[in-house]
Amino acid sequence: EDQVTQSPEALRLQEGESSSLNCSYTVSGLRGLFWYRQDPGKGPEFLFTLYSAGEEKEKERLKATLTKKESFLHITAPKPEDSATYLCAVISGGYNKLIFGAGTRLAVHP
Amino acid sequence: DGGITQSPKYLFRKEGQNVTLSCEQNLNHDAMYWYRQDPGQGLRLIYYSQIVNDFQKGDIAEGYSVSREKKESFPLTVTSAQKNPTAFYLCASGTGVSNTEAFFGQGTRLTVV
Repeated sequence: EDQVTQSPEALRLQEGESSSLNCSYTVSGLRGLFWYRQDPGKGPEFLFTLYSAGEEKEKERLKATLTKKESFLHITAPKPEDSATYLCAVISGGYNKLIFGAGTRLAVHP
Repeated sequence: DGGITQSPKYLFRKEGQNVTLSCEQNLNHDAMYWYRQDPGQGLRLIYYSQIVNDFQKGDIAEGYSVSREKKESFPLTVTSAQKNPTAFYLCASGTGVSNTEAFFGQGTRLTVV
């Protein structure tokens, strides 16, 4: 069965304290891995898509990487406005089912 | 502007009523998805569709129904058979086979009164 697991569930950082979020997956035929940011009461905001092991993408303080079993979202020198829930999702199978992990709640304190 | 529009933003339903949530996209995306999100929880897949007139059940399809008569539209009906419908509902669309992007609407918060 296809599965996506994110860790940690919650992460508290001081402003400027870099860290990484993990997304491990077990899918039958990965077609793409997505990272989203979600603020309370809003729809997820698309960040990145990764397709193959070794691929990396960057956007401001965020950098996403992909291996054959997991993806990392690295946050460099975070600011309070980076506080949000970060969601990982994979597309797999012939019908392109989009499956999400439970997310990591990030809180960045001044 | 291209995007996904969900309506209404807030919806109240009486016990035993069916309600329909709207999802429209003008991104020319082939794939569309419906998710349910409960407080503090992740997104659970209700239904998804890759092409017009075709859709698949997700992990929690019981008590829900969908249609895909047009590429741009993927409405979700929450039926009276759904025993615990109060939740935040999210619609997404994606490019399908090429999978270069998948975007979400801003959600509909459904409350049973």
